[in-house]
Amino acid sequence: DTGVSQNPRHKITKRGQNVTFRCDPISEHNRLYWYRQTLGQGPEFLTYFQNEAQLEKSRLLSDRFSAERPKGSFSTLEIQRTEQGDSAMYLCASSRDTTFNYGYTFGSGTRLTVV
Amino acid sequence: GENVEQHPSTLSVQEGDSAVIKCTYSDSASNYFPWYKQELGKRPQLIIDIRSNVGEKKDQRIAVTLNKTAKHFSLHITETQPEDSAVYFCAASMRGNDMRFGAGTRLTVKP
Repeated sequence: DTGVSQNPRHKITKRGQNVTFRCDPISEHNRLYWYRQTLGQGPEFLTYFQNEAQLEKSRLLSDRFSAERPKGSFSTLEIQRTEQGDSAMYLCASSRDTTFNYGYTFGSGTRLTVV
Repeated sequence: GENVEQHPSTLSVQEGDSAVIKCTYSDSASNYFPWYKQELGKRPQLIIDIRSNVGEKKDQRIAVTLNKTAKHFSLHITETQPEDSAVYFCAASMRGNDMRFGAGTRLTVKP
């Protein structure tokens, strides 16, 4: 296990289609986060999980977005009825909830282009 | 929720000079402040972090300072090198929960 893995790396989809991304965190990490990053901006928080529980969702996360982490391991982020404004890099990160280390490890991201 | 502001948005320095990037945060409950470096087309990578129980932390040419009263923290890079060129992001959170990031600073180190 060498890091956080995200698939696919790139996704081009037509407006109105549904897309699903997958994130496999570092195996011993119980926390998993989804962020969205657009060009020239910092990562924007979307949601996070502790084990299988989704603990917080950003107000930015419209009802077209849904995330799951069914067994507390990998997670999926689905976007329904994609819009051109959804085009961005979707980053996943994981961390281990300890007293001494709060640092996130990011995956390489999934770049979504909606045409 | 937490709001993080970062300045400047771009910074250009001569190789060997120092670079300073500043961030402010809004939530006094935040107690963890990491800095990430992101090279073009790559993932953000943690370079240094600081917790609210200390005022300064150093790691070779990189240091971070924190002023809890004023709710601001800064990244200092000394003896800059061309390979330090990247986008740097500050962030704030409480115990690593739902971290909020600044908008980033594009640092260019000119040889």
